Amino acid sequence: DTEVTQTPKHLVMGMTNKKSLKCEQHMGHRAMYWYKQKAKKPPELMFVYSYEKLSINESVPSRFSPECPNSSLLNLHLHALQPEDSALYLCASSQVRGSSYEQYFGPGTRLTVT
Amino acid sequence: TQLLEQSPQFLSIQEGENLTVYCNSSSVFSSLQWYRQEPGEGPVLLVTVVTGGEVKKLKRLTFQFGDARKDSSLHITAAQPGDTGLYLCAGEGPGSARQLTFGSGTQLTVLP
Repeated sequence: DTEVTQTPKHLVMGMTNKKSLKCEQHMGHRAMYWYKQKAKKPPELMFVYSYEKLSINESVPSRFSPECPNSSLLNLHLHALQPEDSALYLCASSQVRGSSYEQYFGPGTRLTVT
Repeated sequence: TQLLEQSPQFLSIQEGENLTVYCNSSSVFSSLQWYRQEPGEGPVLLVTVVTGGEVKKLKRLTFQFGDARKDSSLHITAAQPGDTGLYLCAGEGPGSARQLTFGSGTQLTVLP
């Protein structure tokens, strides 16, 4: 089983709203990631959690706040977003297979900021 | 900063044709992964190549990792409309092995 689930599938929010994106995996992976992806572009890394601790923050604005409540769950809290934040937000997790890490992606949350 | 250049950026072909997508870098990667992504969905891992010179086959898809582990290619034979999608290569690194560097992507359209 290599499934990463994300909710909601679609989200429309105003610039003054507060919302959260959720991600879950039950593969026992100890690294989890948030990416932002614009249409027909590669994913851009936002955050990396390793063993439930934030290990990488790619200079993401503070209006995006990640949280890792346990080894299976990853949240992304959103507040006071801008229209340019509209994108597909992808969660991923990784395991070790042999000598390399393989990342498995969820289906994404399509976010529209109005 | 490690960069991965992917080419071509766009490719539109007829069903039954063959194609090759290239992924090149001046940096060495410990491994390289290929993904396919369909609109509105997350990338799906196709293959991971680890050893220089390695060749892996997945049905009609053939993946090759360069001897120096700086480049890779994806060859599709007899393309089908179901192969349509965004193909992404991603190298493992820099620094933490848990971070991927993505290529710019190849948008493939296979026309029936």
